Amino acid sequence: ETGVTQTPRHLVMGMTNKKSLKCEQHLGHNAMYWYKQSAKKPLELMFVYSLEERVENNSVPSRFSPECPNSSHLFLHLHTLQPEDSALYLCASSQSRPGLAGGPYEQYFGPGTRLTVT
Amino acid sequence: GNSVTQMEGPVTLSEEAFLTINCTYTATGYPSLFWYVQYPGEGLQLLLKATKADDKGSNKGFEATYRKETTSFHLEKGSVQVSDSAVYFCALSGEDTGGFKTIFGAGTRLFVKA
Repeated sequence: ETGVTQTPRHLVMGMTNKKSLKCEQHLGHNAMYWYKQSAKKPLELMFVYSLEERVENNSVPSRFSPECPNSSHLFLHLHTLQPEDSALYLCASSQSRPGLAGGPYEQYFGPGTRLTVT
Repeated sequence: GNSVTQMEGPVTLSEEAFLTINCTYTATGYPSLFWYVQYPGEGLQLLLKATKADDKGSNKGFEATYRKETTSFHLEKGSVQVSDSAVYFCALSGEDTGGFKTIFGAGTRLFVKA
């Protein structure tokens, strides 16, 4: 148990569906992340939230829409996805102090949501 | 910019063999270095870390030493077990990555045969 949970663990959706992925961390961290992990590709950082503000958006298509209502919860809203969006979506959290030297802290990952777009 | 390069896999070993997975990095400043492991069907989890030059991180029989002169952080284990079969990721994080952003290598898959 890593303290980061993700639901659902598996999701199959059509290209016209709308769905949401949920992540919750129980570690008291103040930064949360969405990553995409595809077969035979490096881990891709999608979004970073620090103190509930989005601080990183790595040229992710608008069909992915993140939401961070508080420091413990992170959502990824999905709509009109493409088959190439099929992947494992990982959420992570860390304790970070943006803007200050002496950072960095290890990240704690959830088990991921395996998404298949048909 | 900052980057991490690790050896391509898969690496296949017999049980009790010695393991080395090479990792080199490019970074400005003094980053912290990490090894993460991903077991089948799970997310990544931190295996070990080192925060300054010459530090040695260790956990579960795995070790890695932060070598600034060679910009390396190679992962080693003296005797692998079947249960060590997983994907291993080298990573760095530091002020220049925003303090809270981690740069990951591509991952190296390890298979250990009984």
